[in-house]
Amino acid sequence: SQKIEQNSEALNIQEGKTATLTCNYTNYSPAYLQWYRQDPGRGPVFLLLIRENEKEKRKERLKVTFDTTLKQSLFHITASQPADSATYLCALPNSNSGYALNFGKGTSLLVTP
Amino acid sequence: GAVVSQHPSRVICKSGTSVKIECRSLDFQATTMFWYRQFPKQSLMLMATSNEGSKATYEQGVEKDKFLINHASLTLSTLTVTSAHPEDSSFYICSVGEGAYTEVFFGQGTRLTVV
Repeated sequence: SQKIEQNSEALNIQEGKTATLTCNYTNYSPAYLQWYRQDPGRGPVFLLLIRENEKEKRKERLKVTFDTTLKQSLFHITASQPADSATYLCALPNSNSGYALNFGKGTSLLVTP
Repeated sequence: GAVVSQHPSRVICKSGTSVKIECRSLDFQATTMFWYRQFPKQSLMLMATSNEGSKATYEQGVEKDKFLINHASLTLSTLTVTSAHPEDSSFYICSVGEGAYTEVFFGQGTRLTVV
């Protein structure tokens, strides 16, 4: 069955450091992969989309890599800030439902001053 | 990008009653909307695809007679949880997108508690 795995443990880092979150998937051949941010009690908010033919994508302090051989994506937040504290979700296209998404459980990031 | 409004944000209902959740696409005509459910510390699980003017498509294991979806216009989809039970307590979220290779916009979610 298709699986999307993210670090289940919370990631605690100090302000100013780089946070790196991992997303591994199995039994998928995704054409693209997305990352979302979710705050408690809120719906997810889109951050980045990376296509299968792209190795890396950047947006301000965010960077995503996509290795289709390893079946892995890494999500980096540089110069992290306390406001970056949230849960980050990895998402892949649902192969059966058009452009709906399947999500990982998410990794909780806590940035402390 | 699309703005998605979901209502209510929180609802408490008694076991056996029905609850309706609305999802509105405020600035985008959505022929398709998606409904998800999220239990605490779990991933968002796709429940169904709501199709404007036709029947919804449900994911495996989701009871279509229990979770009624109506998508009567290009801006409104509703999810009705019928005969709710405590195990239906969850966070329900709708989403709208413009197609593959594009970002998806989510509503703010509805916290349903069945007592």
